[in-house]
Amino acid sequence: DTGVSQNPRHKITKRGQNVTFRCDPISEHNRLYWYRQTLGQGPEFLTYFQNEAQLEKSRLLSDRFSAERPKGSFSTLEIQRTEQGDSAMYLCASSFTGTQHGYTFGSGTRLTVV
Amino acid sequence: QKEVEQDPGPLSVPEGAIVSLNCTYSNSAFQYFMWYRQYSRKGPELLMYTYSSGNKEDGRFTAQVDKSSKYISLFIRDSQPSDSATYLCAMSPTGGGNKLTFGTGTQLKVEL
Repeated sequence: DTGVSQNPRHKITKRGQNVTFRCDPISEHNRLYWYRQTLGQGPEFLTYFQNEAQLEKSRLLSDRFSAERPKGSFSTLEIQRTEQGDSAMYLCASSFTGTQHGYTFGSGTRLTVV
Repeated sequence: QKEVEQDPGPLSVPEGAIVSLNCTYSNSAFQYFMWYRQYSRKGPELLMYTYSSGNKEDGRFTAQVDKSSKYISLFIRDSQPSDSATYLCAMSPTGGGNKLTFGTGTQLKVEL
């Protein structure tokens, strides 16, 4: 297992289109997180899953955003009707419950809305 | 006011220098403190993880937490050009892999 994998690495889309990103966590990790990072800022929490259950969602996650983690394995993040303000790096991370070692991030999906 | 404040830099130092990176925070509930390193166009990579106040050392890196002052630091000794990256502090009120609140990151450049 080589870590957290995110696809695609880059996505350019036109305003108003829908996009979907995928995250494959480290296989034995039961928690999966989505963060968003804009230029010059630290990552901001969006949502997290424990197994297949979505336990918390940030106020940043508008109705246009939805995340799923079927069967507690990979996760998808969908953005509907994209806006220019959605342009950012979308980071996925995974961890064990009870970890004392932080989490492992993927390399992110960079979204550009034109 | 943000919960976690971090000087964005950029900070430029000569190779071999001691680097000091800092964050302040306002939420007294934070108990777990982390430093991540992020290279350009990559995800953050965990460097140091500490609980409550005190010091922790790992190789050239030392993390310090002063909860009474709500102030955390990361020191890098004998800095190398490969240390050039953005350093993010992050913190959480609980361990167990809960959500983190990050600073904005400090951009560091170590020059030959």
